[in-house]
Amino acid sequence: GQNIDQPTEMTATEGAIVQINCTYQTSGFNGLFWYQQHAGEAPTFLSYNVLDGLEEKGRFSSFLSRSKGYSYLLLKELQMKDSASYLCAVPNQAGTALIFGKGTTLSVSS
Amino acid sequence: DSGVTQTPKHLITATGQRVTLRCSPRSGDLSVYWYQQSLDQGLQFLIQYYNGEERAKGNILERFSAQQFPDLHSELNLSSLELGDSALYFCASSDSRLAGGSSSYEQYFGPGTRLTVT
Repeated sequence: GQNIDQPTEMTATEGAIVQINCTYQTSGFNGLFWYQQHAGEAPTFLSYNVLDGLEEKGRFSSFLSRSKGYSYLLLKELQMKDSASYLCAVPNQAGTALIFGKGTTLSVSS
Repeated sequence: DSGVTQTPKHLITATGQRVTLRCSPRSGDLSVYWYQQSLDQGLQFLIQYYNGEERAKGNILERFSAQQFPDLHSELNLSSLELGDSALYFCASSDSRLAGGSSSYEQYFGPGTRLTVT
C-alpha cells in the first residue's frame, strides 16, 4: 500500500527559506504531488515530480529521489501568505486516486 | 477558481439524518473524486467515478454512497449521520488521462462543503 510521512508543523520568518520533507512508501510509483491548502479552503496544486531531481517554479521548488522514497518542497523568500498546510500526495496503486499525507502546517511570522 | 463547484457550502444537521452533497466537475473532466477531511485524519479519499461508473473506492463507510449522473455532476449521500462525520467534504475532478510521466493525475478541488453534525 501507500504510506506518506511529513512533519506536522514548521515555523519560519518572512524572507527566509524553508524545506518541507516528505517520505513515502508505495507499491509502484506514478509521481509525487505537492498541494497547498489554506485553512478552510480547497487544496491547490503546486508541483508534480516523476523523475529524480529538482523542479523549480518561481519561489517554490520540489525535489524527488525515487531510490530514497523522499521528496521535499522548498519555499524561498517566504511571505505571510505562505502560511498554510502543505500536502504531499502519491497516486494509489491502481492509479485511480491520490493518497495524501496528513500535511505540514507552516506558520510564517514577521 | 478551479472550475469545480460544490453545494452547499455549509450544512448543519442532526445525528441520524441524511444529507446530499453536490459537485459539478470542471468542463470536460470525466472523473470525480470525493474526499473527507477531518482535523485528526487529514484528507481521506472516499470514492471515484469516471464517466458515470464507479472506478475506485477508498475509506468510504457503508452509510455513505455516491453516484455520477449523465451530465457528469456527482452527489455524495451521507446517511445515519454521526457526530464523527462532521468534516469538510471535497470534490475534485480530473480528465484522468493515463499517460505516464505527465501530471495526468492532477486533480482540481472544489471549495468544499463543511458538514456539522450536532
